[in-house]
Amino acid sequence: GAVVSQHPSWVICKSGTSVKIECRSLDFQATTMFWYRQFPKQSLMLMATSNEGSKATYEQGVEKDKFLINHASLTLSTLTVTSAHPEDSSFYICSAAWWGNTEQETQYFGPGTRLLVL
Amino acid sequence: AQKVTQAQTEISVVEKEDVTLDCVYETRDTTYYLFWYKQPPSGELVFLIRRNSFDEQNEISGRYSWNFQKSTSSFNFTITASQVVDSAVYFCALSLYNNNDMRFGAGTRLTVKP
Repeated sequence: GAVVSQHPSWVICKSGTSVKIECRSLDFQATTMFWYRQFPKQSLMLMATSNEGSKATYEQGVEKDKFLINHASLTLSTLTVTSAHPEDSSFYICSAAWWGNTEQETQYFGPGTRLLVL
Repeated sequence: AQKVTQAQTEISVVEKEDVTLDCVYETRDTTYYLFWYKQPPSGELVFLIRRNSFDEQNEISGRYSWNFQKSTSSFNFTITASQVVDSAVYFCALSLYNNNDMRFGAGTRLTVKP
C-alpha cells in the first residue's frame, strides 16, 4: 500500500512554455501533498504544502505565481511550472500523507519527475 | 527551526563491510519524527524507517539497524555486510508532529564496491 505515482517521469520543454506535473496517491486518500525540488547531488527542498480543497502554502523564496499547485481531490495534486526557464530544470518529487491512522506521520514519495528546460 | 546534519558526504566500502551513516538533528520540539530514506540512481525515494521521539528503542531489520539516542540528538543507520545493491544516497529527515515541515539532511552517497 501507500503508492504514489507521478506523471510524466521525464519532460523536456522549450524555455517559456508551461509544464504540468501530476501526483497521484493510488491506494489511499491524501489529505496533504507536498512538492519538493532536488538539484543534482543536493538534498530535497520543500517547495510547498497543499491540503485538499485549499490553497497551497509555499516555502519562503518559492514563487507561487511560477509554481502553481492545485490539490483538487484527495488523490491528485498538480504542479504547473509556468514560463519555464533553464534554471527551473530539476528533479521534482511529490509526497503524500494522510491523517487518521498510525501511519499518518509518514510521507510517501512519488518516483519524481525530471524536468529539462532548453 | 529544525535542522538535520549528515556530515558524511560520501562513503565508499567494499562489499561485506559494515558501514554506519551518521545523522544529527536539531529541534526544540519534544514531539517529532525521524526518518531514513534511500534514493537509488533511479531517483525514487524508498522509505526505510520512521521513529518517533518517544521511542528510543533501537531497531533491526535484516541487515539494517538504527541507533536513536536523544542524549546526543543522533539517529545513526548501520548496514551490516553491505552489498552492491546498497549503493545509493541515503537521507535522514525530521518532521514535526503535524507532518507539515519535513527537513532533509544533505544526504550521504554510499558506494559499495564488489
